[in-house]
Amino acid sequence: KAGVTQTPRYLIKTRGQQVTLSCSPISGHRSVSWYQQTPGQGLQFLFEYFSETQRNKGNFPGRFSGRQFSNSRSEMNVSTLELGDSALYLCASSLRLAGGNTGELFFGEGSRLTVL
Amino acid sequence: KNEVEQSPQNLTAQEGEFITINCSYSVGISALHWLQQHPGGGIVSLFMLSSGKKKHGRLIATINIQEKHSSLHITASHPRDSAVYICAVGYGNKLVFGAGTILRVKS
Repeated sequence: KAGVTQTPRYLIKTRGQQVTLSCSPISGHRSVSWYQQTPGQGLQFLFEYFSETQRNKGNFPGRFSGRQFSNSRSEMNVSTLELGDSALYLCASSLRLAGGNTGELFFGEGSRLTVL
Repeated sequence: KNEVEQSPQNLTAQEGEFITINCSYSVGISALHWLQQHPGGGIVSLFMLSSGKKKHGRLIATINIQEKHSSLHITASHPRDSAVYICAVGYGNKLVFGAGTILRVKS
């Protein structure tokens, strides 16, 4: 069974540009969540998608957005990049439990973004 | 203040030692996750629990809902256990993470 696939693995952008990251979940997983990891702030929740709808969002500015397609693949976009957006962006897929809670998480390897 | 507190921040152990990492949170949660991250970034889910105790091989995780506290234990530690261990608490489908515990096991 294939794991969670994130692309690209590494990318370098300059301030003001925009970036799109992709996440393909494990087959059958309809919940995809995104996280930002930096040395200073650690891991932080960005947003979670289920059935093509954003179900929850962390405390990030509107420059951070995402979407989910009918095949459960998800993309996140960061517009008008800032130096502080340099981070490892991780996605995870999971099954949705009864009551809408997140099940066990399966993480991708991450996309490492450097903003110059 | 971080809603999730982990201790210790750093831990060095000798091979074979029993290790405990603690996690405390402030409000009621739907579930608690223990994650392992090796150098290079990959994160693996070790446990997801909402009550009681779970065991996988040499790893044991416990949670006390009333005290809002969880522990991760590693028995007979090995250098390959060296990693960052992260506690994450779930509020529905949103996760809040602890700062992580850097574990180094020396042979």
